[in-house]
Amino acid sequence: AQSVTQLGSHVSVSEGALVLLRCNYSSSVPPYLFWYVQYPNQGLQLLLKYTTGATLVKGINGFEAEFKKSETSFHLTKPSAHMSDAAEYFCAVLNQAGTALIFGKGTTLSVSS
Amino acid sequence: DSGVTQTPKHLITATGQRVTLRCSPRSGDLSVYWYQQSLDQGLQFLIQYYNGEERAKGNILERFSAQQFPDLHSELNLSSLELGDSALYFCASSPNTGANVLTFGAGSRLTVL
Repeated sequence: AQSVTQLGSHVSVSEGALVLLRCNYSSSVPPYLFWYVQYPNQGLQLLLKYTTGATLVKGINGFEAEFKKSETSFHLTKPSAHMSDAAEYFCAVLNQAGTALIFGKGTTLSVSS
Repeated sequence: DSGVTQTPKHLITATGQRVTLRCSPRSGDLSVYWYQQSLDQGLQFLIQYYNGEERAKGNILERFSAQQFPDLHSELNLSSLELGDSALYFCASSPNTGANVLTFGAGSRLTVL
């Protein structure tokens, strides 16, 4: 069965600093992996996804993630944090049947000036 | 605006009551998914409908039911409500049966007192 573990429920960075949000997955089949962002009082918005092909995936708002099969990881990074990046971030894996996304518990990103 | 419309945005009710949450998918999408987001359980997949038929079932309680109508809107019915049912309920839609292209609504926040 597929599962996702997000390391760190809360990450704090200074504006301009590197953002690193960690995600490890478990999957019995080649995984489809996703990062979503949730701003306060809003729904989830897709940041980026990995299906097949290039392991470094670029998304919206300057975020990118790298699929590392050997480490079963799909960490999200952004070189320079903005105040507007403060939100909750969810990593997800597509279930084996392809019928649902399985989400991690989420990581809240705080950005200070 | 994601194109997925959920009503009501907020709902407060009492234990033992029944409520109905409504979702209109993005134009052209045939699948609707329901997710529950709570502090202790995180984001949990409840159920998927595709073109009016139940397609996949997740951690949906027997007290909960859903359906998708010919115009493709969906309703999630929650009955015999308990305090623990207080959560944010999200609807998402996708063009076909696969969950790899999900668009989420803004959610319906249910508070059970």
